[in-house]
Amino acid sequence: EAGVTQSPTHLIKTRGQQATLRCSPISGHTSVYWYQQALGLGLQFLLWYDEGEERNRGNFPPRFSGRQFPNYSSELNVNALELEDSALYLCASSLTGLGNTIYFGEGSWLTVV
Amino acid sequence: GQSLEQPSEVTAVEGAIVQINCTYQTSGFYGLSWYQQHDGGAPTFLSYNALDGLEETGRFSSFLSRSDSYGYLLLQELQMKDSASYFCAVRGQTGANNLFFGTGTRLTVIP
Repeated sequence: EAGVTQSPTHLIKTRGQQATLRCSPISGHTSVYWYQQALGLGLQFLLWYDEGEERNRGNFPPRFSGRQFPNYSSELNVNALELEDSALYLCASSLTGLGNTIYFGEGSWLTVV
Repeated sequence: GQSLEQPSEVTAVEGAIVQINCTYQTSGFYGLSWYQQHDGGAPTFLSYNALDGLEETGRFSSFLSRSDSYGYLLLQELQMKDSASYFCAVRGQTGANNLFFGTGTRLTVIP
């Protein structure tokens, strides 16, 4: 069974540009979560999607947004990139209602220069 | 809101036992989870405690005391490959399925 897959693995963008990161959850999982992990730091919750709807949002500005598609895959968009947005962006998935056990992808490294 | 506290670093000797503590504050409580993350890798699920007491999975055990808002992860017979960061996490908000993670404890196992 395939795990959570994310693309691209690495992305380099210029300050002010937009970045789009993609995530495919484990088959059968309807919940997708996005986390930001700056170098050497903890995991900061960004967004939670379930059944195509945004269910919860972390303490991030509106330029961080995303969506979930009918096949439960998801994308994270970061607009007006700032240098401090450079981080590992992790996507995770779970069955609905089982948010204590989530499965992470390998992440997308975003570098803003 | 939610907040979790863990020691930032722990060092232990190969073959020994180490305990990583986690204290939490949350408006609601739906269990304490533990995740392991090796450098450059994705976090992986280790254990989950919904009720008080000890849960054992091989060399790893996790404990929860809801009255003390406290839990710990116990690693026995430490191996070099256990060197990693360990995160505790809670689901604390009614209706919110997402986990909030602690800042993580970096465990270094030395020979």
